[in-house]
Amino acid sequence: DAGVIQSPRHEVTEMGQEVTLRCKPISGHNSLFWYRQTMMRGLELLIYFNNNVPIDDSGMPEDRFSAKMPNASFSTLKIQPSEPRDSAVYFCASSLGSLSEAFFGQGTRLTVV
Amino acid sequence: KQEVTQIPAALSVPEGENLVLNCSFTDSAIYNLQWFRQDPGKGLTSLLLIQSSQREQTSGRLNASLDKSSGRSTLYIAASQPGDSATYLCAANSGNTPLVFGKGTRLSVIA
Repeated sequence: DAGVIQSPRHEVTEMGQEVTLRCKPISGHNSLFWYRQTMMRGLELLIYFNNNVPIDDSGMPEDRFSAKMPNASFSTLKIQPSEPRDSAVYFCASSLGSLSEAFFGQGTRLTVV
Repeated sequence: KQEVTQIPAALSVPEGENLVLNCSFTDSAIYNLQWFRQDPGKGLTSLLLIQSSQREQTSGRLNASLDKSSGRSTLYIAASQPGDSATYLCAANSGNTPLVFGKGTRLSVIA
């Protein structure tokens, strides 16, 4: 398996624009997580899904953030409208069950100018 | 709410030295504790997973231990090499909560 695949790897956008980050989990994994990493706050859980169903989105910072998982092999994290303080590295991870070993993608580095 | 702390934030050692990285957590009812490595600008690589029923796990020069009663885990690296230079993160999940991360220890191994 190629592991967790995220796209794009880098994204630079202007404030106010919509940003969509994509993730393909490891085949067979039924839990998917979105994390955000900043220097100040480290890695923070934004939202996670079990069997394509959102379980806990309490980490989503604002209504500008939304996430979907239309099927077992694809998830998106959308920010609309984007703001400079959203600049961070966004990681997607998957596991076989939410309490099992988690595997991370390479991340998307988002810069909002 | 689970909180994970890693001290020190940064560590520099000469090549060949054995070293220990520390991780503490507040909720002792953990399910798993996982150690990761992160190279600059890269993703997280899973190193070791310790289940709550286990006391330690070993992989090559790495050994991770878990003491739930004291809320601590350690990652022991034997005979350190410059290639071990990276940020090491520990994370714990408890109850039905996914991994909660510490802020990491940035390790530099000097040749």
